[in-house]
Amino acid sequence: GAGVSQTPSNKVTEKGKYVELRCDPISGHTALYWYRQSLGQGPEFLIYFQGTGAADDSGLPNDRFFAVRPEGSVSTLKIQRTERGDSAVYLCASSPFPGQGYEQYFGPGTRLTVT
Amino acid sequence: GDSVTQMEGPVTLSEEACLTINCTYTATGYPSLFWYVQYPGEGLQLLLKATKADDKGSNKGFEATYRKETTSFHLEKGSVQVSDSAVYFCALSGRAGGTSYGKLTFGQGTILTVHP
Repeated sequence: GAGVSQTPSNKVTEKGKYVELRCDPISGHTALYWYRQSLGQGPEFLIYFQGTGAADDSGLPNDRFFAVRPEGSVSTLKIQRTERGDSAVYLCASSPFPGQGYEQYFGPGTRLTVT
Repeated sequence: GDSVTQMEGPVTLSEEACLTINCTYTATGYPSLFWYVQYPGEGLQLLLKATKADDKGSNKGFEATYRKETTSFHLEKGSVQVSDSAVYFCALSGRAGGTSYGKLTFGQGTILTVHP
């Protein structure tokens, strides 16, 4: 079956611009997670959705970052006034159930470069 | 807060050599522990997991045992292959604010290169 997909695969933008990154989770997965992976580091948690609601956004670095999941499926991560420090690979993952023992299925990521 | 520390890499081995990648963690309560792998050009995928103390996760010849007394989850393989070349991430999923919903905390990753 189809896995988690993310678009675009690469995004180059100028400092100060607005970007949107899209995640299509596996059909039927209720839990959705966003992570950010900087070069040479492990992924870092950004936000978790259970259904349509953001149950935990404690990982968002500041108020320039926002994410939505309006119909409980596709999610969009939005970054305003991008900065060079936002350059990273943004990963989306989904899971059939929320819970600490369940596998998360990761998408291929969106590589964001802010020039 | 929760944290995961992996042995620093990169690790370079010859085919059929033994592999150990060390992983230790800090967490409250009883987290679940995972090894994820990222092959060249591919996304992160689960390699193995263990959800309680003394459990052993295994897959593709890799093993790791959840050791609560040493807060460790070392990854081992008796004979590596060229196809095992990848980046390996240790991760945990603990409890946040009394609830558990699967948020992963990752180590920094270990690059493994296996030569023929």
